[in-house]
Amino acid sequence: QSALTQPPSASGSPGQSVAISCTGTNSDVGGYNYVSWYQQHPGKAPKLMIYEVNKRPSGVPDRFSGSKSGNTASLTVSGLQAEDEADYYCNSYAGSNNVVFGGGTKLTVL
Amino acid sequence: EVQLVESGGGLVQPGGSLRLSCVASGFKFTNNWMSWVRQAPGKGLKWVANIKPDETQKFFADSVRGRFTISRDNAKNSLYLQMNNLRAEDTAVYYCARDNGWHTYDFWGQGTLVTVSS
Repeated sequence: QSALTQPPSASGSPGQSVAISCTGTNSDVGGYNYVSWYQQHPGKAPKLMIYEVNKRPSGVPDRFSGSKSGNTASLTVSGLQAEDEADYYCNSYAGSNNVVFGGGTKLTVL
Repeated sequence: EVQLVESGGGLVQPGGSLRLSCVASGFKFTNNWMSWVRQAPGKGLKWVANIKPDETQKFFADSVRGRFTISRDNAKNSLYLQMNNLRAEDTAVYYCARDNGWHTYDFWGQGTLVTVSS
């Protein structure tokens, strides 16, 4: 499987909203509601932020939300804060125990 | 509190072997799929392998199939990755992660660095 397509970078000012896209195919993103998003700060382990397209694990602020339309999933961060500056990765189940990750998006808070 | 602690990384020559371990605590290990996910320096995340709670199913990425083996010891709450015939492109931080069976990784360890170089 090819990697999911994410923009390499995104940015926004504190308080603004920013959306990060994750584009796949109907064999992964479009075919399953098992899209997840992970936040990774430099030198740290990834942290699950969104699972099953739009569900938030306990402890994740509701400023983070997920959605999907066709073969493209999106992560929206509202009310940007300085601590949201990190790399964000999406992944999707792709059938038969396969998984594909996106290449990652570096989110900068201006 | 869920904790995953990896160990076993280090410097190894091409063609060599290494065994990674991950000790889990804070949840019922015997109920959960577990995965290994790696990240090459400056690169993105890539899934390596996963294993069903009862070890009856094990899956591998194409890039490591036939060279890596995944196993677990439920009595010791431990996950393992045996890596043989290592290549330079296997150089990465290796994370163990709890897997919901659909490749959603809800908890991650801190990672262990594997460097393959002569």
